[in-house]
Amino acid sequence: DAGVIQSPRHEVTEMGQEVTLRCKPISGHDYLFWYRQTMMRGLELLIYFNNNVPIDDSGMPEDRFSAKMPNASFSTLKIQPSEPRDSAVYFCASSFGSTAYTQYFGPGTRLTVL
Amino acid sequence: ILNVEQSPQSLHVQEGDSTNFTCSFPSSNFYALHWYRWETAKSPEALFVMTLNGDEKKKGRISATLNTKEGYSYLYIKGSQPEDSATYLCAFRDFGNEKLTFGTGTRLTIIP
Repeated sequence: DAGVIQSPRHEVTEMGQEVTLRCKPISGHDYLFWYRQTMMRGLELLIYFNNNVPIDDSGMPEDRFSAKMPNASFSTLKIQPSEPRDSAVYFCASSFGSTAYTQYFGPGTRLTVL
Repeated sequence: ILNVEQSPQSLHVQEGDSTNFTCSFPSSNFYALHWYRWETAKSPEALFVMTLNGDEKKKGRISATLNTKEGYSYLYIKGSQPEDSATYLCAFRDFGNEKLTFGTGTRLTIIP
């Protein structure tokens, strides 16, 4: 298996632009998680899905952030409009079963908003 | 807000020496404790998932113990090698909540 796939790996954009991050979980996994990693706050959970349904989005910073999972093999995290404080590394992770089970992380997308 | 703390924040260890560090978490409503190894410019890699008080897990030279009653877990590395240099993260899950709360990690540097 290729593992969790994220694209793009790096994204540089200007303030106000829309940014879309993509994730393909490991085949057969039924949980998908979006995390953001910053120096100040460490690794924080933004939202997670179970069987394509969003379960908890309480970590989403504000309305500018949205996430979808249209099918079991694809999810997007969208920021519109982007701001410089959104600059971070965004990780997607998937697991089979709940979080008593290992989460497998993708390589991350490093986002820079100028 | 769950408080998951790791200590020390950073650690320099001579190659060949053994070391250990700590993860503290709430002792009530425990469900699972994860350890991850995170190398610079890579993604976190799972080491252990621990669910039972007194649990001990081992993977090569790395092992972990769990005390859910007092709310701590230790990660041990025996005979440190340069490739052990990484940030080690723990993550806690309590009952009734499927989210993991991550600690801020212990950054380990092995000095050749």
